[in-house]
Amino acid sequence: EAEVAQSPRYKITEKSQAVAFWCDPISGHATLYWYRQILGQGPELLVQFQDESVVDDSQLPKDRFSAERLKGVDSTLKIQPAELGDSAMYLCASSSRTGGLETQYFGPGTRLLVL
Amino acid sequence: QQPVQSPQAVILREGEDAVINCSSSKALYSVHWYRQKHGEAPVFLMILLKGGEQKGHEKISASFNEKKQQSSLYLTASQLSYSGTYFCGTFPNTGANSKLTFGKGITLSVRP
Repeated sequence: EAEVAQSPRYKITEKSQAVAFWCDPISGHATLYWYRQILGQGPELLVQFQDESVVDDSQLPKDRFSAERLKGVDSTLKIQPAELGDSAMYLCASSSRTGGLETQYFGPGTRLLVL
Repeated sequence: QQPVQSPQAVILREGEDAVINCSSSKALYSVHWYRQKHGEAPVFLMILLKGGEQKGHEKISASFNEKKQQSSLYLTASQLSYSGTYFCGTFPNTGANSKLTFGKGITLSVRP
């Protein structure tokens, strides 16, 4: 069964350092999402891609966060510089659409701890 | 706007039934249910469309009341494997760029 791949699974960094997360969506899924999930909360959308184009990045803190999906397949989310409040789980999801319904499938996530 | 999930937590004994709810103040197009185990990714369970249809996944079923803009998830004869946090995600009825918005989740614990 096809899955969304993410790496690394865990990342510990010091504040002011740069970190990068990678996501490989399910093959054939044109839409890719990055979410941030704080402990005890639901996932919150950071950025949505359709192929290589950004569809929604209204909740992305653009002063420190950037995301790209250059060839419309895998994607990278970067934080520079990292802050203590960035500690969270970063989830990538990709979606398929059948009969007008979109289903999102999540990867295992990257748990970030900023010290 | 974030959907509201209730109750906040559920503790069950194996074999018992439970109902958890997801409500929105906005008119909805669809409700998506996910289960997340500790430290793992959310796993898709099912989608409910407006129209009040009911769906099932193993012994878990759900309904969508369009008048109340509320979806309920029914867990029947719960198993230990049902433990986890259940999130609903809602898609609003309008807006070209509408997005899936998740509730805070409900922690469900099934005990032997």
